Formats: sequence, structure tokens, C-alpha cells
Amino acid sequence: DQQVKQNSPSLSVQEGRISILNCDYTNSMFDYFLWYKKYPAEGPTFLISISSIKDKNEDGRFTVFLNKSAKHLSLHIVPSQPGDSAVYFCAASARGGATNKLIFGTGTLLAVQP
Amino acid sequence: SQTIHQWPATLVQPVGSPLSLECTVEGTSNPNLYWYRQAAGRGLQLLFYSVGIGQISSEVPQNLSASRPQDRQFILSSKKLLLSDSGFYLCAWSRQVNQPQHFGDGTRLSIL
Repeated sequence: DQQVKQNSPSLSVQEGRISILNCDYTNSMFDYFLWYKKYPAEGPTFLISISSIKDKNEDGRFTVFLNKSAKHLSLHIVPSQPGDSAVYFCAASARGGATNKLIFGTGTLLAVQP
Repeated sequence: SQTIHQWPATLVQPVGSPLSLECTVEGTSNPNLYWYRQAAGRGLQLLFYSVGIGQISSEVPQNLSASRPQDRQFILSSKKLLLSDSGFYLCAWSRQVNQPQHFGDGTRLSIL
């Protein structure tokens, strides 16, 4: 059972435009959500997170939106740059656990065209 | 600042051989430590986590084991590798619950 889903395996965007990466989850106990960026042959790099008490968190060009009723979150990158081309993973965890266990989606490959 | 080191970066092993992957964290104390595996075309799956020296919890039954002999050292092992153990193995650390996890660069393990 895939508790965190990224239904778009790939996305292509023109440089300077907005990139929108989507993620859905099924477990209503999840209350902490993260986005990671991964280049080939490297480990994932933490980008941005959001707690369920918020519906938006912004950090520079990156904004994460959370819609708890729809169990949906999205990552917006504005403006997109060629260096943003990578695989993006969303992840979720449930508060109250002692382990900070993250459940990851399968990733979306973003290609930003110059 | 904190850094995490994993080695080796790539490893090719025959079926039935042993395995030892090492991960160390610098610049922090008493971190939570994690081992993940990413199979081809799939997301990251948590294998083991540790909240302290000698404390290991396993998430999925498998052919692998983990140990934490020192505060900032986490080791992934196997006595006899299977073909299905191939994958990309990642070590990660975090300070506390509900804090981001930070990953090493991973080990690409190929079993022949």
C-alpha cells in the first residue's frame, strides 16, 4: 500500500516558468511533510518542510502548499532554473512516533529546459 | 556544521558474499540514524533506524542487519548477499523527531 503517491513520474518546464510538483497521501495521521531533491548518484537533499498546522511555507523560490482535507501537497518552484532539474521526492511522517520515520513517494523527474 | 559520510560509493559483490557498509556523522551528538534502500523505479524504503548506541529497530524483514557501535557510526551488514539485495543504500541522520533527515551520498550495490 503506497501511503505517499507522486502520480507524475516526470515533468518538463521552460526556464523562468513555474514548476508544480504534486503529492498525495492516504494516511490521515501524517502531520509533517517534506520535499527532497535528488541528483543522480547523490543522496537526497532536504528542500523544504511543512507542518500540518500550516497550509503554506515559503523559502526563496520554493513554496510548499498543504491541503489537509484533500490530503494533497504541492511544491512550487518560481522561477524554474536549469539547475533545478532533478528528481523530487515528497515524504511524510506522523507525529507521536519515536523514530521520525519518513514515508517517501516514488519521485518526479523535473526537467527545466533552457 | 554537520556532515554525513558513506562508503563505499559503489560496490559489486557476488551472491553469497558478506556485506559491510559504513556511515558516520560529524558535528552532532546522539543523532537518530537511518538506513534506507531505493530499488529501481521506487521510492526510498526505511530498513533500520537507531535512536542510540546499540539500539536498532528493523522496519522490514530481510537478509540485512544493522549495528551502531558508536554514537555517530551506523553499519549495515549481511552474512550472505542475495540477488534481491541489489539497490541504492542511503544513510541518514536527524536531530529529533519531526526534524528533517539529512542523507549521505549513498552506496550503489550490485549483486552478481
